[in-house]
Amino acid sequence: GAVVSQHPSRVICKSGTSVKIECRSLDFQATTMFWYRQFPKQSLMLMATSNEGSKATYEQGVEKDKFLINHASLTLSTLTVTSAHPEDSSFYICSARDLGTAYNEQFFGPGTRLTVL
Amino acid sequence: QKEVEQNSGPLSVPEGAIASLNCTYSDRGSQSFFWYRQYSGKSPELIMSIYSNGDKEDGRFTAQLNKASQYVSLLIRDSQPSDSATYLCAVTGAGNNRKLIWGLGTSLAVNP
Repeated sequence: GAVVSQHPSRVICKSGTSVKIECRSLDFQATTMFWYRQFPKQSLMLMATSNEGSKATYEQGVEKDKFLINHASLTLSTLTVTSAHPEDSSFYICSARDLGTAYNEQFFGPGTRLTVL
Repeated sequence: QKEVEQNSGPLSVPEGAIASLNCTYSDRGSQSFFWYRQYSGKSPELIMSIYSNGDKEDGRFTAQLNKASQYVSLLIRDSQPSDSATYLCAVTGAGNNRKLIWGLGTSLAVNP
């Protein structure tokens, strides 16, 4: 149980294009999902908290107009990187919180590796 | 002061030994504590959750929590080369969104 999928797993795009990443909880409902970014050999950095049916909460320094988050259902959240630039190249990982467990654990998707040329 | 602190390592242990990973946290209101394992180039994988003071065992893994000392640890018995990874400590922050506060991780190398 507690499986989270992410799509695509890898994407290469040209500078200036937009990229959409999907995060799905496959066997549980997730009212809250989280989006992280991780640069090579660095720790996870929380970008935003995605709440089903309401606006996402962004961490300080994360541009909400550049990283658009939509959480339209209890099993799907999307992150759109708009007008991507090479500095946006990173490993983007989503997680979903399983309210059915004792500790509200977060389970991670496999990640999306974005390369912007 | 960082909110969740871990020794970055690398921690190197021989195969079959016990690996001991430590984590301290600053928020006394924290209620849930997690250990994640992350292999290079992969996303984190939940290994252990602990909520109450004391020990919690699951297979070769034991999590230990001491809220008075604001300390949580992970013991890995009979370490295997496949345990070589970065181990991330995460603590539930205060407030309603309960987002995780992460340590920077400890790199573990198990030598055959």
